[in-house]
Amino acid sequence: AQSVTQPDIHITVSEGASLELRCNYSYGATPYLFWYVQSPGQGLQLLLKYFSGDTLVQGIKGFEAEFKRSQSSFNLRKPSVHWSDAAEYFCAVGARTNAGKSTFGDGTTLTVKP
Amino acid sequence: GAGVSQSPRYKVAKRGQDVALRCDPISGHVSLFWYQQALGQGPEFLTYFQNEAQLDKSGLPSDRFFAERPEGSVSTLKIQRTQQEDSAVYLCASSLVGTSGGANQFFGPGTRLTVL
Repeated sequence: AQSVTQPDIHITVSEGASLELRCNYSYGATPYLFWYVQSPGQGLQLLLKYFSGDTLVQGIKGFEAEFKRSQSSFNLRKPSVHWSDAAEYFCAVGARTNAGKSTFGDGTTLTVKP
Repeated sequence: GAGVSQSPRYKVAKRGQDVALRCDPISGHVSLFWYQQALGQGPEFLTYFQNEAQLDKSGLPSDRFFAERPEGSVSTLKIQRTQQEDSAVYLCASSLVGTSGGANQFFGPGTRLTVL
């Protein structure tokens, strides 16, 4: 069975500082990997995804993530955080053989200090 | 609108009542998903439709939960005899393609269900 672990429940960074959110997954083969952002009262918005190929993927809003097969990780990064990035972030894994069924982590809440 | 819409946005039900939650996917999207998101947790898969066919309902927690998509567009998630543990945000998502596990899913804003 596939699973996702986001070790950090809550992270606080200063505006302008760099950010890394951790994600570890368990899956028997190469999965599809996703990062979503959820602001209060809003639906989940896809930031980026990994299917195959280049292990460093670029997303919207200046985010990037790197797939590391040896570590079963897909960490999300941003070089300089903006106050508007404060939200909850979810990592998800999707099975290649089961159309679209995704398993999500429990999320990391990001607080941005002025 | 261009996105996935859900109604109602908020629903308060007394324990034992039946509720129906509606999802309007993006026009033309083949796949539709329902997820349940409990407080402080990530979304958990409930069920999946490809057009009108319900291909996977393995995530439905009990036989009190029922979903349908009779014409392959709008979907309704029905919960019978609601219990307090059903309190959660119910998310609907749609995607354009039918079989690709990696197709982008577009999420609605969710329906927050509170069972008293």
